Amino acid sequence: AQSVSQHNHHVILSEAASLELGCNYSYGGTVNLFWYVQYPGQHLQLLLKYFSGDPLVKGIKGFEAEFIKSKFSFNLRKPSVQWSDTAEYFCAVNPLISSGSARQLTFGSGTQLTVLP
Amino acid sequence: NAGVMQNPRHLVRRRGQEARLRCSPMKGHSHVYWYRQLPEEGLKFMVYLQKENIIDESGMPKERFSAEFPKEGPSILRIQQVVRGDSAAYFCASSPPRQNYYEQYFGPGTRLTVT
Repeated sequence: AQSVSQHNHHVILSEAASLELGCNYSYGGTVNLFWYVQYPGQHLQLLLKYFSGDPLVKGIKGFEAEFIKSKFSFNLRKPSVQWSDTAEYFCAVNPLISSGSARQLTFGSGTQLTVLP
Repeated sequence: NAGVMQNPRHLVRRRGQEARLRCSPMKGHSHVYWYRQLPEEGLKFMVYLQKENIIDESGMPKERFSAEFPKEGPSILRIQQVVRGDSAAYFCASSPPRQNYYEQYFGPGTRLTVT
């Protein structure tokens, strides 16, 4: 079964610092990749997704992620974080297989980002 | 255009009681997924349903848990005879039937506390 690893459980940054959150997955086949964000007290929102094509994908609020197939990674980046980016970030994977389980997302354990003003 | 709706948002049950969690998918979405998030963990897939069909329940505990998505009305996740270990946030997601069906949209979750 596939798994997703987010190595940083809690990241603390000052405003304007650059951000990179790691995400690695274990699955040998083709995958769809997602980053979700959960702001305090709110539900999960899709930040960005990768299905195919350009491995550098841009999402909302200035976030981007790069899919490196050889490293099984999909790291999230933002050049300059803001206090409002304080949230929990989840990486998720969906393998492209034909059975019904192709729909389920496998999530990492999440990274709590705290941005200090 | 309402998003995924879940109710109740918070639910407290005593051990041994039943918990019923409801999920109304986004308009036009016919696929529903339930996930559970235990403290300090990521979301874990439980079950995937289409109208009147359970497609994949590989993540559901074998006992006490059941899910349905009737032709009319919301999807229901039912937990019978709850135990303390069932305390968690339960999230529902929905996706459209065809184009972009890999994109799942999440509801606000139901936080179940078992006392």
